Amino acid sequence: AQKVTQAQTEISVVEKEDVTLDCVYETRDTTYYLFWYKQPPSGELVFLIRRNSFDEQNEISGRYSWNFQKSTSSFNFTITASQVVDSAVYFCALVRVDNFNKFYFGSGTKLNVKP
Amino acid sequence: EAGVTQFPSHSVIEKGQTVTLRCDPISGHDNLYWYRRVMGKEIKFLLHFVKESKQDESGMPNNRFLAERTGGTYSTLKVQPAELEDSGVYFCASSQVGEQFFGPGTRLTVL
Repeated sequence: AQKVTQAQTEISVVEKEDVTLDCVYETRDTTYYLFWYKQPPSGELVFLIRRNSFDEQNEISGRYSWNFQKSTSSFNFTITASQVVDSAVYFCALVRVDNFNKFYFGSGTKLNVKP
Repeated sequence: EAGVTQFPSHSVIEKGQTVTLRCDPISGHDNLYWYRRVMGKEIKFLLHFVKESKQDESGMPNNRFLAERTGGTYSTLKVQPAELEDSGVYFCASSQVGEQFFGPGTRLTVL
């Protein structure tokens, strides 16, 4: 069975602080995809990143970076120099390669960035 | 290009009533999905349409939920009769190949 755990329910930081959102997953599959989505106050889920389980290279996109560690089944997301606009709920998700149509989401982490 | 749209954005109904949620996918997307987030928990898969056919409905909670996709275009999700535990946010997503694009969700409150 597939499971994604986001243990941090809510995090509050002050603007310009760095913050890491944790994501731990469970799957027996050797090949899978991992995703991060952002849900701003407007409600829609905004795609941030997709990572294939074969690719363990960390990725950086502007102030965002992702640390994928297959050995610990984690796919953590770090925001550097956080901004108020980063306030949102962030979801981590896993998708099986043999059924790309079914997402397994975590429960989300609400990030509050205060000015 | 318009994204995935959902109607209504909010719905408040009483237990026992019927509610119908609508999703309009991105034009040309054959795949349409319904998900639900209940009480701040994880977003759970409900079902997947390919055009007008149900490809996977393994996530549908019970027979009070009925999803349809007329002509392979928009989709409706009917809850009849609604129960308190049905409260939550219902997301719709669509895709052609690969990435799913999500709508803003419908927040359903059952009193």
